Amino acid sequence: EAGVAQSPRYKIIEKRQSVAFWCNPISGHATLYWYQQILGQGPKLLIQFQNNGVVDDSQLPKDRFSAERLKGVDSTLKIQPAKLEDSAVYLCASSLDPYGYTFGSGTRLTVV
Amino acid sequence: AQSVTQLGSHVSVSEGALVLLRCNYSSSVPPYLFWYVQYPNQGLQLLLKYTSAATLVKGINGFEAEFKKSETSFHLTKPSAHMSDAAEYFCAVSVVGNTGKLIFGQGTTLQVKP
Repeated sequence: EAGVAQSPRYKIIEKRQSVAFWCNPISGHATLYWYQQILGQGPKLLIQFQNNGVVDDSQLPKDRFSAERLKGVDSTLKIQPAKLEDSAVYLCASSLDPYGYTFGSGTRLTVV
Repeated sequence: AQSVTQLGSHVSVSEGALVLLRCNYSSSVPPYLFWYVQYPNQGLQLLLKYTSAATLVKGINGFEAEFKKSETSFHLTKPSAHMSDAAEYFCAVSVVGNTGKLIFGQGTTLQVKP
């Protein structure tokens, strides 16, 4: 079974620029999550999709972050404009049930 | 609200020694508990999970954890450390009936000395 694919693996941008991350979940997984992992901290949920509907986006900074999951498959997470504090690893995960996650390798974002 | 506290941000053991990584949780309802491992530049891999069945849970790579409700703990152990166990370990909690959102602890870096 193919895993959760994420791209790019690394991205360096200047503050106030925009950036987008892409995630392709495991085939058939209805639930998709985006987590933000700041260096030295545990991951924090940004947004959760069930098919193409949003289940939880309570911790998504909506003034600069947006996410979509078209057709209930792939998802993109966008930041515009980026701030220095957005430097982190962005992890995508998918699951069939709430307690069987598979994480992707993540995208490491550095904002300079 | 749920929360997780991992005691000790860094743990160092000798190869062959016991590994003990501590995790305490806070939850007003029965929790589901997880341990994940993260190797450098990789995503998180599930080691084991407690979902209200047996309180002693066995996972991959020889790890196990025991759910102790009275102590609100879910410590991770391995009898004999291997060099390949060096990584970052995260304890996480999810509430029964929740959407599946995981709340993670701060993580513990395990160093294994030869």
